[in-house]
Amino acid sequence: RKEVEQDPGPFNVPEGATVAFNCTYSNSASQSFFWYRQDCRKEPKLLMSVYSSGNEDGRFTAQLNRASQYISLLIRDSKLSDSATYLCVVTPQTGANNLFFGTGTRLTVIP
Amino acid sequence: DVKVTQSSRYLVKRTGEKVFLECVQDMDHENMFWYRQDPGLGLRLIYFSYDVKMKEKGDIPEGYSVSREKKERFSLILESASTNQTSMYLCASSTQVEQYFGPGTRLTVT
Repeated sequence: RKEVEQDPGPFNVPEGATVAFNCTYSNSASQSFFWYRQDCRKEPKLLMSVYSSGNEDGRFTAQLNRASQYISLLIRDSKLSDSATYLCVVTPQTGANNLFFGTGTRLTVIP
Repeated sequence: DVKVTQSSRYLVKRTGEKVFLECVQDMDHENMFWYRQDPGLGLRLIYFSYDVKMKEKGDIPEGYSVSREKKERFSLILESASTNQTSMYLCASSTQVEQYFGPGTRLTVT
């Protein structure tokens, strides 16, 4: 079983739509959680960390459900510039330096 | 501004050649990583290093080795390139929270 699993999509949504991605992780001892964004032919970049209490950054909301071992990302009022692949990322344990990446969910926002 | 650079964006090598991929970071990070990224498989960790001359195997170290002689530089070595090593190779360095990636090297082995 993979450490991190995501629906690969693609998700094709119109501008202004709200879209949500989910991600599940297998190691219940996982400590840190992130969403990274990767544009086509570019490197991944940190979008936001995911905290137990949930966190919001503008149009983006990330949530963690430890009991069910899943992480979500909600994008409201989608923009064309949101088109990218979104990677769910998990750190296996406290202090660990290595990350486990999901395969990514591809989002295309359509005019 | 944070910067991770990789020696080549595109590289074509022949089967059996020895290949060196270089990565340099200017953020004085202790941790550095090499990944490969393939469609449908995502990013997979090859090796990482948490200090000069220190290295740890990742998930797929077979066929690769690494070198870290200076803090800012982390090299990935393919001792004898094979066609199944055709991939996008990404280097990263990190703080405790965030990994910063280089632009990637697309390696084709023919």
